[in-house]
Amino acid sequence: AQTVTQSQPEMSVQEAETVTLSCTYDTSESNYYLFWYKQPPSRQMILVIRQEAYKQQNATENRFSVNFQKAAKSFSLKISDSQLGDTAMYFCAFLIMDSNYQLIWGAGTKLIIKP
Amino acid sequence: KAGVTQTPRYLIKTRGQQVTLSCSPISGHRSVSWYQQTPGQGLQFLFEYFSETQRNKGNFPGRFSGRQFSNSRSEMNVSTLELGDSALYLCASSIAGFHYNEQFFGPGTRLTVL
Repeated sequence: AQTVTQSQPEMSVQEAETVTLSCTYDTSESNYYLFWYKQPPSRQMILVIRQEAYKQQNATENRFSVNFQKAAKSFSLKISDSQLGDTAMYFCAFLIMDSNYQLIWGAGTKLIIKP
Repeated sequence: KAGVTQTPRYLIKTRGQQVTLSCSPISGHRSVSWYQQTPGQGLQFLFEYFSETQRNKGNFPGRFSGRQFSNSRSEMNVSTLELGDSALYLCASSIAGFHYNEQFFGPGTRLTVL
């Protein structure tokens, strides 16, 4: 079965610090995509970053970057210079590109940025 | 451009009733996907509609159904409600499907089953 594990239910850091959220996944497929989504309190889910499994280079989006370790099936998210607006639930997800493509989600990590 | 909208935002029903939720995608988006979000199970994929056809579905019982109209608006129906159906139901739209393009989420409908 395809699974995604986020081992940190909750984390908190001080504003301006760097924080890393962990995510591991399990699949025997080779063609897939990985995502980090952010769900702020009472606001809509938004895509933070996306990584294609065939790309060795780690994706970055401004203060957000990933550490993609394909052999270890690990996909962590690093947030640099954290801001109060980064407070949210963060979900890791992956998408298998087969005939029955589905988005498999992790349970989420609640991230609190303290002033 | 207006974002994805969902109606109603909150709903309270009793066991055994049925409910219909609505999702209006971003203009020009032809794919609508539905997800169930609960504290215990996290997010689970329900189904995806594209051009009025269900293209993909997750592992949910037949009580969960949906449809899509010619203007890409989608509805989700849950019949014979159970307590465990209490959840936040999210819909997301994309141009051609989340396996091709970024999907954009609506604010969700919070369903409470008493």
